[in-house]
Amino acid sequence: GENVEQHPSTLSVQEGDSAVIKCTYSDSASNYFPWYKQELGKGPQLIIDIRSNVGEKKDQRIAVTLNKTAKHFSLHITETQPEDSAVYFCAASISGGYQKVTFGIGTKLQVIP
Amino acid sequence: SAVISQKPSRDICQRGTSLTIQCQVDSQVTMMFWYRQQPGQSLTLIATANQGSEATYESGFVIDKFPISRPNLTFSTLTVSNMSPEDSSIYLCSVRRDSKETQYFGPGTRLLVL
Repeated sequence: GENVEQHPSTLSVQEGDSAVIKCTYSDSASNYFPWYKQELGKGPQLIIDIRSNVGEKKDQRIAVTLNKTAKHFSLHITETQPEDSAVYFCAASISGGYQKVTFGIGTKLQVIP
Repeated sequence: SAVISQKPSRDICQRGTSLTIQCQVDSQVTMMFWYRQQPGQSLTLIATANQGSEATYESGFVIDKFPISRPNLTFSTLTVSNMSPEDSSIYLCSVRRDSKETQYFGPGTRLLVL
């Protein structure tokens, strides 16, 4: 089955700096990669996703990159703000029909004001 | 997106008892999932609940311990039976529309078993 590794497990940055979270996956058939943000006391919220036919996707201060050859994908947050503090999960799955989504272990991001 | 609500939001239970968690979605969805998230951990899939069929359980989870109902396309329940302190966790409902991969999560039910 699919295995998703995520690092770092914790990340502290100064407000205004950038944060990068990296994930690798094992199944070359995986072609859909969502990212979730989980704030304390809440459920995970989808913040951005990317499909394997795209190398990069941006949404305001958030961007995700995908390297299919290396089976790497990364989340980039620019100009970090205290409200970005949360746990971020990467995930991988195969598009179409029912395919189980495999999650990384999560990265706890702390943005220091 | 989908608006998902769960009841209860949190509970404290005695060992040996059972708790039923409800999940309500604001629109019809084909797939509903139940996850467990232990403190500081990632998301572990318990089972998939599709309307009109028996739930499909992941390795390590059994129907006797986690019975699931899915009476219609907007509602599901998960029961945590004969609870022990090891069942203390966050239980999350998640849904996926029939033609899209995107999964949305409910707010979770925080369970503490004493």
